[in-house]
Parts: sequence; C-alpha cells; structure tokens
Amino acid sequence: DGGITQSPKYLFRKEGQNVTLSCEQNLNHDAMYWYRQDPGQGLRLIYYSQIVNDFQKGDIAEGYSVSREKKESFPLTVTSAQKNPTAFYLCASSEHQLGELFFGEGSRLTVL
Amino acid sequence: AQSVTQPDIHITVSEGASLELRCNYSYGATPYLFWYVQSPGQGLQLLLKYFSGDTLVQGIKGFEAEFKRSQSSFNLRKPSVHWSDAAEYFCAVGPRLDDKIIFGKGTRLHILP
Repeated sequence: DGGITQSPKYLFRKEGQNVTLSCEQNLNHDAMYWYRQDPGQGLRLIYYSQIVNDFQKGDIAEGYSVSREKKESFPLTVTSAQKNPTAFYLCASSEHQLGELFFGEGSRLTVL
Repeated sequence: AQSVTQPDIHITVSEGASLELRCNYSYGATPYLFWYVQSPGQGLQLLLKYFSGDTLVQGIKGFEAEFKRSQSSFNLRKPSVHWSDAAEYFCAVGPRLDDKIIFGKGTRLHILP
C-alpha cells in the first residue's frame, strides 16, 4: 500500500543532543513537508521541499534542518539550537504544490 | 496576510445530533479549501476539498462543506454524528499565489452518548 512512513513514533532526547526524524513516502509525490503540532496551536510549517535537492524554510525553521537527496525521503533534524523541541512532528507529501496533503502517523519527541 | 480562523476550540454534541464546525479565512481571492480530521496521536486525514465549481462539497464519512464567498467561510457539516466522529478537525487554505497551505488551530469535537 502507498503511504508515508514516519519513524520513530516516540523518541526521547536529552538536552543538547541532535535527533533525526525519518520520513519516507512511496506515493511518487514531488512535494514533502514537515509540520510541528503543539496543543491548541494547529500545525506550523517547519520546512518544505518541492523537488529533490531543493527545500525552503517554513514559518518556524530555526533550530531545524532538512535534506532532500532522494524523492522519497525527507528527514528532519532537530538540533540542540531548537529551544523548545518537545512536540508532535508530522510529515506530509503532495503530488504537486497546493495539492492535497497526505500525512504520516507522526513522531512524538520528548526532551528530558 | 492570509489566515484561517476556527472560532470554536471545543464543541460537544450528542450522538445522532447534527454538527456544524465553522471556518473563516482571510485572503484576497478564492483559495483552495480543505478539511482534515485527526484522531488522537495520529496523522491527519483529508475529509474533503474545494478547488472550484459547485460550492457544496461532499466528503468521506458523511461530511459535507459549503463554500460561501460572501462570508469567506467554509463550514463543515454532518447531519447525524456518530461516537467515532470524536476527533480534532482542521480547516486549511491553500492560497493560489503561494505555495504553502495554512492550517487553522483546530476544533476538538466531543460526542455525548
């Protein structure tokens, strides 16, 4: 079945550590996105990519980094520079820009 | 600036009752419009979308939404809710001259037995 796979589902990190969240899609979609979700805040865009080897900052990119070396993969690194990294992270993809988004199941990151 | 407003943070309805979730947007032209649903700890699933044409849009799980240009609204409706509809619902807009979809802050739906 086609879809988006995020891993790990749960992740714990000590302060000062970088952590990478995986996002893989087999939908052959061009565009991929990372959102952060906090209670009562909706979804806020971190980074997005419309094509391989290219990506743009979203509204809250500080403290995060991404890469897009393959069409199907868009990993997100939460760096130690992110002041408040505890959150639920959602990866999504779309066939083209402004197409409907297909979401993964999410990754919950907790900083201890 | 473009924005999406969902005025109700929480809504509680009885099982079998009708439902309407409100969504208002601010944009200079007609955007693409979406409603998504999220169960706890899960990703989001698309319920329905409006791009153009008929302003009454049918979606999955018995939901529908009506685009009203004069009111800049895209309210979600269901004639009779089921306990399984308890979830968080997000309205989203995709401005046609931009490349980012903007989400509202969500409405959490509670169902009374």
